Parts: sequence; C-alpha cells; structure tokens
Amino acid sequence: EVQLLESGGGSVQPGGSLRLSCAASGFTFSIYTMSWVRQAPGKGLEWVAGITGSDNAAYYVDSVKGRFTISRDNSQNTLYLEMNSLRLEDTAVYYCAKDGTPLVGIEWFDYWGQGTLVTVSS
Amino acid sequence: DIVMTQSPDSLAVSLGERATINCKSSQSILYSANNKNFLAWYQQKPGQPPKVLIYWASTRESGVPDRFTASGSGTDFTLTISSLQAEDVAVYYCQQYYSSPSTFGQGTKLEIK
Repeated sequence: EVQLLESGGGSVQPGGSLRLSCAASGFTFSIYTMSWVRQAPGKGLEWVAGITGSDNAAYYVDSVKGRFTISRDNSQNTLYLEMNSLRLEDTAVYYCAKDGTPLVGIEWFDYWGQGTLVTVSS
Repeated sequence: DIVMTQSPDSLAVSLGERATINCKSSQSILYSANNKNFLAWYQQKPGQPPKVLIYWASTRESGVPDRFTASGSGTDFTLTISSLQAEDVAVYYCQQYYSSPSTFGQGTKLEIK
C-alpha cells in the first residue's frame, strides 16, 4: 500500500524558514518523480515544486524560485522541501504527491499525503 | 504559464441527474508526437487530499466508478458525472501537465440541488 506521510509544518514569522519532509512507502520511490502541491486556506491547488527520481532534476513555480529547495533521499525514501524567506502568502497546506508513471517528468498525481499546514504570520 | 479555466465555479445538480464541468486551457495541451492530451481531473472532498479520477484527458483511474467520464482535446475538456450520487459532492479540479509549471483550474464546487 502506497503511503505518503508529511511532517515539519508549523507556524513561522515572515522571513523565517521551515523544512518539510515526506516519508514514502509501498512503492519504488527512486524511480518516481515527486512533487509538492499546496493549498491556501479555502483556495485551490497550486503545484509548487517537483523532482525527478532518476537524475534529481528540480522544477519550481516562479513564486518560490530562489526561496524553496526540493530534494530527495532515495536511500531513506524521503522527499524534502526547504522553505526560506517565507511570506504571508506561503500559508497553506502542503501536500506531497507521487507521479502516476515512473521514469518521466511531472505528470498527474496518483497518490497524495494528508498534508502538513504551514502558517506564516507575524 | 498555461492558464486553466474551469466553468462553472459552482454547480448544483439533483441526485441521479447529469453533472458537467468544463475546463479550458490557454494553449493546446495535445502533444502531437503521441496524440495525448496532458490533462487530469481530481476530486477533493472536505478535509481530504485530492483524488485522481482521470488522466490523459479520458483514462479513468483504477477504482473510479464508470459514471465518471471525461472527454476533449486540444484546449477544451469536459468531466461528466452521468448520475449524481450523494458521495460525489466535492470540488473538482483539472490539471495540465503538458509544460512546467503544471497548473490547476480554480476548481468547481459540486453540490446537491
């Protein structure tokens, strides 16, 4: 059974930092592209970042480029999101999501974690 | 970036009736080399993560009831629920994965009339 378990969310002041983790199990983690998708309170879905399994190529939405870093540890089956210079508008539930097919770039997401809430507030 | 626009924003349908949600992309998401449309549909119920219903614009995910069908190509796509059930109350999103950044529609809230 595929499981994705996010952790690391919390409250932080503007300009602060957080590191999110996503522990994966139930599939061959290293061959799948993984993404972070966020959802601000009461709002829609926004893809934030993705990283391929094969060559660790990373992709970001413009609004987080230079502030967020996605990474993965295939030996620990864990996905990370390092978030720096956090802004009020980064407040959201952050979901870890698995690509639907292996060995390709960002596609549709067939499994999602339950999410972890990040609140940026002064 | 490709902008995904859904219509309507909200929809109220009677139980057993048909529900139709539209999604339009700001540019074609049909890849000519494999003739595939890079579009997925998701269902999100309150307090839950999204669940994929459809990918490649019309391929139903395993386990999704066959009352959910989807169609379209190029820039215009449709998700249809043939006979609305109470458990279908949710927000529905389309997503393009043709180019980075992958983008979602704003969502369509489906309720029972």
